[in-house]
Amino acid sequence: QKEVEQNSGPLSVPEGAIASLNCTYSDRGSQSFFWYRQYSGKSPELIMFIYSNGDKEDGRFTAQLNKASQYVSLLIRDSQPSDSATYLCAAKGLTGGGNKLTFGTGTQLKVEL
Amino acid sequence: EAQVTQNPRYLITVTGKKLTVTCSQNMNHEYMSWYRQDPGLGLRQIYYSMNVEVTDKGDVPEGYKVSRKEKRNFPLILESPSPNQTSLYFCASSLFSRGQGRVNEQFFGPGTRLTVL
Repeated sequence: QKEVEQNSGPLSVPEGAIASLNCTYSDRGSQSFFWYRQYSGKSPELIMFIYSNGDKEDGRFTAQLNKASQYVSLLIRDSQPSDSATYLCAAKGLTGGGNKLTFGTGTQLKVEL
Repeated sequence: EAQVTQNPRYLITVTGKKLTVTCSQNMNHEYMSWYRQDPGLGLRQIYYSMNVEVTDKGDVPEGYKVSRKEKRNFPLILESPSPNQTSLYFCASSLFSRGQGRVNEQFFGPGTRLTVL
């Protein structure tokens, strides 16, 4: 069983719409969660992190965490073609010295004109 | 500019020929890590290091070695590469501090695309 699961997509949304990306995790010891964006052939770049239950907003991005349901999501409002990328969800727990990131396989997002 | 650098960026080699991929960071980070990324499998950790001379295995360490003799450098060594090590490799670094709220964002290098024939 994968520790962090994401739907691989592709998720297609029209320009200007809200894109909703979801992630579940199996390790209840996971303490913080990260969303990375990765363009094809490029390195992952951090968009947001969250470690408390609830919502966290940063510009057009909102991360949501529900530890009881072991569920993390990322909402992208007013989606733009430049948001087309693969979005990686990662969880950090107590393993690996407390700094290890366990990644999902990513969801490919396509924002269509 | 704060960054993680990797060299080479692209490498084609043959089975059994030892190679080293270098990784260097200029952010004085304690923690460094190597990942490989394969289609359908995502990013998987190979080795990590919490500080100089402190290294440990990640999820897929077989066939790889690392060393951490200096804080800024964390080379990945393939003693006898095999075709199943063909992959996209990323080095990452972060601060290493414990406690709630210590996010320790990991910064990734540009990647090394390795092909083993």
